[in-house]
Amino acid sequence: GAVVSQHPSWVICKSGTSVKIECRSLDFQATTMFWYRQFPKQSLMLMATSNEGSKATYEQGVEKDKFLINHASLTLSTLTVTSAHPEDSSFYICSASPDPDTQYFGPGTRLTVL
Amino acid sequence: GDSVTQMEGPVTLSEEACLTINCTYTATGYPSLFWYVQYPGEGLQLLLKATKADDKGSNKGFEATYRKETTSFHLEKGSVQVSDSAVYFCALTPINQAGTALIFGKGTTLSVSS
Repeated sequence: GAVVSQHPSWVICKSGTSVKIECRSLDFQATTMFWYRQFPKQSLMLMATSNEGSKATYEQGVEKDKFLINHASLTLSTLTVTSAHPEDSSFYICSASPDPDTQYFGPGTRLTVL
Repeated sequence: GDSVTQMEGPVTLSEEACLTINCTYTATGYPSLFWYVQYPGEGLQLLLKATKADDKGSNKGFEATYRKETTSFHLEKGSVQVSDSAVYFCALTPINQAGTALIFGKGTTLSVSS
């Protein structure tokens, strides 16, 4: 079946540093990838939609300069949290869409900012 | 805007008990409806879906029926197993917006004991 990987699965960083999270579709090509954020005991909230070769579309309230998204190929999208602060600590999940009716989710990345 | 509401958890059941997790939605027209499951330490997996009114999605003994009149998509299983312990998310994609991100409910944690 279709597999989406995320790396790293868990990261701890100091406040003020930047962290890059990779999302890869391992056995299919994805023209569209989505980035979600999940707070404890809360639902997944969409942060941005990433289309290969074009700029990401951010949801209202999501700072595009803080959460940099790059979708350079049909199998890779990256999310960079710049100048991370403790309030950015969360669970970040990506999904990859090979067609409009299907999304496959990665296992998530736990970010802790000290 | 579109939204999904599902019952608060956690839900604790004994093996072979019946399960119902309620889900209602607010949306324009006929969205596509989904149930995703997240097992401990894993990414979200599609459990079942329905794309039009009165459709019934089913998988692994779970089923849910798209009820337009009550704007509901309740998840049911007649006999749960310990291996069904997971977090279940109800979700939708807006009408005529295939390829857009999913809108999720908050998730319901199911714990099944032997």
